[in-house]
Amino acid sequence: GAGVSQSPSNKVTEKGKDVELRCDPISGHTALYWYRQRLGQGLEFLIYFQGNSAPDKSGLPSDRFSAERTGGSVSTLTIQRTQQEDSAVYLCASSLGTAVYEQYFGPGTRLTVT
Amino acid sequence: AQSVAQPEDQVNVAEGNPLTVKCTYSVSGNPYLFWYVQYPNRGLQFLLKYITGDNLVKGSYGFEAEFNKSQTSFHLKKPSALVSDSALYFCAVRDAFRTGTASKLTFGTGTRLQVTL
Repeated sequence: GAGVSQSPSNKVTEKGKDVELRCDPISGHTALYWYRQRLGQGLEFLIYFQGNSAPDKSGLPSDRFSAERTGGSVSTLTIQRTQQEDSAVYLCASSLGTAVYEQYFGPGTRLTVT
Repeated sequence: AQSVAQPEDQVNVAEGNPLTVKCTYSVSGNPYLFWYVQYPNRGLQFLLKYITGDNLVKGSYGFEAEFNKSQTSFHLKKPSALVSDSALYFCAVRDAFRTGTASKLTFGTGTRLQVTL
């Protein structure tokens, strides 16, 4: 079946512009996660949606970052007034739930802020 | 707070030799432990997980991991490395007693495995 998809695969934007990154999770997965991965580094947790619960936003680095998940499915990560330090690969993952289920990752969106 | 440590940035192994990628964790309750692999320019792929039961867990591509509660470790192992195993490996943990949005995984910083001929 289809895996997690993300769009765009690459995004180049000018400093100060807003960007929107999209994630389509696997159908039926109730949990959705966003991570940031800077070049050669590990995963930085950003935000976590689980069903109808209030999302865990504890990883968002600043108020320029926000995310929503509409209808419990597709999610959009928005970065306002982008800065060069926002350049990274943004990874989305989904899982069946929060219990013992592994996460399935999308291919990521490579964001470059010039 | 939960945390994961991967003490080695890189592990170098000759093809055919056994490999070990180290991971230690810290949680307040019982751990759920995971290993993921990231090939170049790809997303992360699930390898294996420990939830409960046997301390030796077998996963994809011939990998296995051993849960050691007393040492709070979950090292990834493979008896005979392949060049195609070269990738970035991530260990992750969550606290089994946390639920809802408090149950997120915490990932380690990753270990790069380089297997040479």
